[in-house]
Amino acid sequence: AAGVIQSPRHLIKEKRETATLKCYPIPRHDTVYWYQQGPGQDPQFLISFYEKMQSDKGSIPDRFSAQQFSDYHSELNMSSLELGDSALYFCASSARTSGGPLSYEQYFGPGTRLTVT
Amino acid sequence: AQKVTQAQTEISVVEKEDVTLDCVYETRDTTYYLFWYKQPPSGELVFLIRRNSFDEQNEISGRYSWNFQKSTSSFNFTITASQVVDSAVYFCALRVYYGGSQGNLIFGKGTKLSVKP
Repeated sequence: AAGVIQSPRHLIKEKRETATLKCYPIPRHDTVYWYQQGPGQDPQFLISFYEKMQSDKGSIPDRFSAQQFSDYHSELNMSSLELGDSALYFCASSARTSGGPLSYEQYFGPGTRLTVT
Repeated sequence: AQKVTQAQTEISVVEKEDVTLDCVYETRDTTYYLFWYKQPPSGELVFLIRRNSFDEQNEISGRYSWNFQKSTSSFNFTITASQVVDSAVYFCALRVYYGGSQGNLIFGKGTKLSVKP
């Protein structure tokens, strides 16, 4: 079965550079979530999109922006990178059950490990 | 406010021992979902189980079992006859449904399980 695809898997950037992470959700999934997991930490919600519109916003820095495109893939853009941005970035996707509560799993991608030096 | 507490930071057991990972959650919402994820050293997040707030039935899947008790706001996870391959960080997560939201996950801090041969 197709899974969530994230690219790149590893990324090394220097301080003040920019980075773009990509996420390709499972086919027919209409919702994408981004999470950030620092070393030894739990994943923290950054932002989500439903049907290409921003849905919820978590602890996403102003230096970060994201969008979901017409083919449902999503990109997380990070500018003015700081050492503290070094983390594992997960994308997850899900399919909303029409007319019902959110009773479905979020399927996580393998993550992108960003290292800022 | 929603919160997930995993009081056990690290647990170490010897192979074949049974081990229970505790999870306590807080939410005022009546409709919510609870999850367990496994994160092995390779870093990916592996979905284990989902429970909704209306289903208090315990579940067993092979060596894994889950005990959901609304009265104590707990959703504990037991591994029977642990194996070295069970070594990982286990996260309990809460998802709350409210109108217009896509329901991001709120994770606990995780419990690192080490199973020694």
